[in-house]
Amino acid sequence: DTEVTQTPKHLVMGMTNKKSLKCEQHMGHRAMYWYKQKAKKPPELMFVYSYEKLSINESVPSRFSPECPNSSLLNLHLHALQPEDSALYLCASTPTDSSYGYTFGSGTRLTVV
Amino acid sequence: GQNIDQPTEMTATEGAIVQINCTYQTSGFNGLFWYQQHAGEAPTFLSYNVLDGLEEKGRFSSFLSRSKGYSYLLLKELQMKDSASYLCAVRDRSNNAGNMLTFGGGTRLMVKP
Repeated sequence: DTEVTQTPKHLVMGMTNKKSLKCEQHMGHRAMYWYKQKAKKPPELMFVYSYEKLSINESVPSRFSPECPNSSLLNLHLHALQPEDSALYLCASTPTDSSYGYTFGSGTRLTVV
Repeated sequence: GQNIDQPTEMTATEGAIVQINCTYQTSGFNGLFWYQQHAGEAPTFLSYNVLDGLEEKGRFSSFLSRSKGYSYLLLKELQMKDSASYLCAVRDRSNNAGNMLTFGGGTRLMVKP
């Protein structure tokens, strides 16, 4: 298995809803990342998990809450989002060997209404 | 911090050659990556350079000069399907998560018949 799987692929949620994005990989990668990407912009880093511990939080608002239950799974819990949070949310993973770049998931297209 | 610059847009003709430049400034350079991203899709890995010189992979080649903080991606025999955004990304060993990438703004390439 050489993939990063993200679900759902599309999500529409209201500003009062609570939802979660899921990311899964079975490549034994021990670093996992959440990125946010707006149209025609590069991916912006949100969170980094290394060995299931949060190592970087790029000043992300608390309405985004990451969770790493085990080495294969990464969640992003969403609550009270704003319309400007609508974006493509990308998950990526890497092994600890520095010779490798990211393997990206296909992303979740989030629309907040 | 890191500063990564690449042109915003480029246009080229089918069958031609195009070179996309990327300049960067980083304190602990540890590799440069090029990714291709079609609209609404996740980035896909194209190339990796950590030493000076040219890496060739089929129609795509990538060059790195660490002393100049400069890289380029060369696309030969352009095809219509090469119309996409091309992201330059740099890895810096001085950050807390050693494999984390920082992306440039991306270059949107349009291939015309």
